[in-house]
Amino acid sequence: DTEVTQTPKHLVMGMTNKKSLKCEQHMGHRAMYWYKQKAKKPPELMFVYSYEKLSINESVPSRFSPECPNSSLLNLHLHALQPEDSALYLCASSHGLAGGRKNEQFFGPGTRLTVL
Amino acid sequence: AQSVAQPEDQVNVAEGNPLTVKCTYSVSGNPYLFWYVQYPNRGLQFLLKYITGDNLVKGSYGFEAEFNKSQTSFHLKKPSALVSDSALYFCAVRDMIKAAGNKLTFGGGTRVLVKP
Repeated sequence: DTEVTQTPKHLVMGMTNKKSLKCEQHMGHRAMYWYKQKAKKPPELMFVYSYEKLSINESVPSRFSPECPNSSLLNLHLHALQPEDSALYLCASSHGLAGGRKNEQFFGPGTRLTVL
Repeated sequence: AQSVAQPEDQVNVAEGNPLTVKCTYSVSGNPYLFWYVQYPNRGLQFLLKYITGDNLVKGSYGFEAEFNKSQTSFHLKKPSALVSDSALYFCAVRDMIKAAGNKLTFGGGTRVLVKP
């Protein structure tokens, strides 16, 4: 299996809602990432997990809360979002974080989030 | 610090003609370089990477890229473009040693439009 899967594909939520985005990979990768992508812009890194521990938080507001329950799963919990948080949220995974021949990141299809 | 520039917002090419998408980079050390393609409402798909070795890298779907250290460039090329190559292309770089968290820096993206 060489796929990163993400659910749901689309999500519409109000500013007072609590929702979660899910990401799963079965490639044995030990690093997983969350990105935010606005239309026609490059992805912006939000969080990096390595061996199920948070490695990097790119100063993301606390209304976004990541969770890595095991090496195959990555969640992003959402609470009290703002309309400007509407974007495509991409999950990615890689073998690890160190430099090396197998460090490319594989991306999922993304969750299109709309905050009303 | 690491940065990437894609000088063209859009490239138009006729089907069957050669396609080139330009990328220049800046890192303090040696670079890892990547090309990704994104189709509408989809995640990023990995095309190819340069780590070390041959300056000409071959990737998926007939694409290749040439690493030029003196010009700090990594241009993406395809000898004969297809209409189905129309998409958004991102160049990305990470410093071989210093990029904590396998952090990629993406260029702004180049939209490729291949006309029949």
